[in-house]
Amino acid sequence: AQSVTQLDSQVPVFEEAPVELRCNYSSSVSVYLFWYVQYPNQGLQLLLKYLSGSTLVESINGFEAEFNKSQTSFHLRKPSVHISDTAEYFCAVSDVGADGLTFGKGTHLIIQP
Amino acid sequence: GVTQSPTHLIKTRGQQVTLRCSSQSGHNTVSWYQQALGQGPQFIFQYYREEENGRGNFPPRFSGLQFPNDSSELNVNALELDDSALYLCASSKDRIMNTEAFFGQGTRLTVV
Repeated sequence: AQSVTQLDSQVPVFEEAPVELRCNYSSSVSVYLFWYVQYPNQGLQLLLKYLSGSTLVESINGFEAEFNKSQTSFHLRKPSVHISDTAEYFCAVSDVGADGLTFGKGTHLIIQP
Repeated sequence: GVTQSPTHLIKTRGQQVTLRCSSQSGHNTVSWYQQALGQGPQFIFQYYREEENGRGNFPPRFSGLQFPNDSSELNVNALELDDSALYLCASSKDRIMNTEAFFGQGTRLTVV
């Protein structure tokens, strides 16, 4: 069975500082990997995804994540955060060809001025 | 986009509830997730062309329908206090929807 572990429930960081949100997964087969963002009282928005090919994927708002198969990780990074990045971030995994996403418990990114 | 109704709902234990979702036009796959407070979403089930074709670890009292007009429903019978959660609907134009799923803003259900 799949599982996703987000190691930090909360990550406080100062504005314009770099940040890394950690995600590890377990699966015995090929996977798709995702990061979703959830702003207060809203649904989920896809931030970025790894399906195949280059292990480094980027979003349009400066986030990037790297798929590391040997370490079964998909950590999310941003070199310089803004107040508007304050949100809950969820890592998710899906076996290739399977139904449904398995989500982690989320990491609350808190940006301090 | 994907729209859900109602946005908030309060029900009494033992009652039944129906939540509704309107998918993006042309999307023929819809899935439902339950997000308890402080947790990540959990996959309930998925419908493709009006038939259930995938289910998570949820009991049969969670059921659904998908209609040809891009709308769908989640029904929960015999509500329990632990059913209190945010219920999210997602749709996709792909049969294997995980590669491109669009989520609605959710319905917050409170069971008292």
